[in-house]
Amino acid sequence: QVTLKESGTGILQPSQALSLTCSFSGFSLSTTGICVSWIRQPSGKGLEWLADICWDDGKGYNPSLKNRLSISKDTSNNQAFLKITSVDTADTATYYCARSDSPGAQYFDYWGQGVMVTVSS
Amino acid sequence: DIQMTQSPASLSASLGETVTIECRASEDIYNGLAWYQQKPGKSPQLLIYNANSLHTGVPSRFSGSGSGTQYSLKINSLQSEDVASYFCQQYYDYPTFGGGTKLELK
Repeated sequence: QVTLKESGTGILQPSQALSLTCSFSGFSLSTTGICVSWIRQPSGKGLEWLADICWDDGKGYNPSLKNRLSISKDTSNNQAFLKITSVDTADTATYYCARSDSPGAQYFDYWGQGVMVTVSS
Repeated sequence: DIQMTQSPASLSASLGETVTIECRASEDIYNGLAWYQQKPGKSPQLLIYNANSLHTGVPSRFSGSGSGTQYSLKINSLQSEDVASYFCQQYYDYPTFGGGTKLELK
């Protein structure tokens, strides 16, 4: 059974750094073809892909946010991490991690429940 | 980046009706398209991938079609549990999503 669960700082002030953890089970980030992505959704709005990390340690970033994002993984402990620097109110959203398992085809077959992040002064 | 334009933004339909949601890409995405269903307060759930492949466990009343820049999601015989928001997503380039369609019962 595949599960993912996000955790991280709930409330931050502008200019702080946001650190998120995705803890998963039922698959391994060392298995060929597996990637974990971070996707966010402001309340009542659409979805925005942020970054992914794959079994071969390949990483991808949304070009519009690339300078502020850093993704990493701990394969042994089945976790993936995302750090976003210099947050502002526009970063207020629910953050999801999600799995893709087809090399070169980034569609997401399992999602976490999401973690709400609020940036406010 | 590839822009995804989804229509309509909202839709009201009756039980048993057939519903179609459209998604247009700003360039050819070569069937690299997925559809998701999202119910209020829940995470998105995969329905369709590769434009027309039904994800495991998804009812057969859902179907996807299209090619090039134009794609659609069809729901046959609308059920009450289909009330949700629907999103398309392309993965020919780095992933981008359509703006969503909110489906309600008439």
